[in-house]
Amino acid sequence: EPEVTQTPSHQVTQMGQEVILRCVPISNHLYFYWYRQILGQKVEFLVSFYNNEISEKSEIFDDQFSVERPDGSNFTLKIRSTKLEDSAMYFCASSEGAGRIYEQYFGPGTRLTVT
Amino acid sequence: SQQGEEDPQALSIQEGENATMNCSYKTSINNLQWYRQNSGRGLVHLILIRSNEREKHGGRLRVTLDTSKKSSSLLITASRAADTASYFCATDAQGGSQGNLIFGKGTKLSVKP
Repeated sequence: EPEVTQTPSHQVTQMGQEVILRCVPISNHLYFYWYRQILGQKVEFLVSFYNNEISEKSEIFDDQFSVERPDGSNFTLKIRSTKLEDSAMYFCASSEGAGRIYEQYFGPGTRLTVT
Repeated sequence: SQQGEEDPQALSIQEGENATMNCSYKTSINNLQWYRQNSGRGLVHLILIRSNEREKHGGRLRVTLDTSKKSSSLLITASRAADTASYFCATDAQGGSQGNLIFGKGTKLSVKP
């Protein structure tokens, strides 16, 4: 069964460093998303992406964040200068169509630890 | 603002019993999805119920949706120890653009063998 994959599973970085989290969505999906979950808290929406551009973003997704689909398969989230509060589990998700009637399938997550 | 809120926050049952978890939300929705998360792991999609549906089944799962009460329930029948996980509802706002999901805090289910 097709699944969303994410790499790395765990990333440790120092405050101020740039990190790139990678995702490979399900191959026939057109909509891509990033969410994050700070330990013990809710899963929060960051950004949605369709047709090579951002469709929607939350207040969390400030200028420090960017997303890119560099080729036909990868979808990346970049944090330019990490802060301690960026430590969280980051989930990539994809859906076949517009999210209203289509399931979103999530990857296993990347645990980001900022020290 | 819209929220999915599950209750109870934690539920402990014996293997073989049924588990019922509830979710409430505040605004109109297009659909509601339930996810499972094993400790420290990813989110596994369980079931999507659309706003015009009242009940949906999938294996040992039964989901109901009452849009007049803005609530949903997830029933797991004949629970197994492997069902131990956190369960989240996520809503997709009607009129929203690209389907960003809003998650509740989840119900932590513990099934004892």
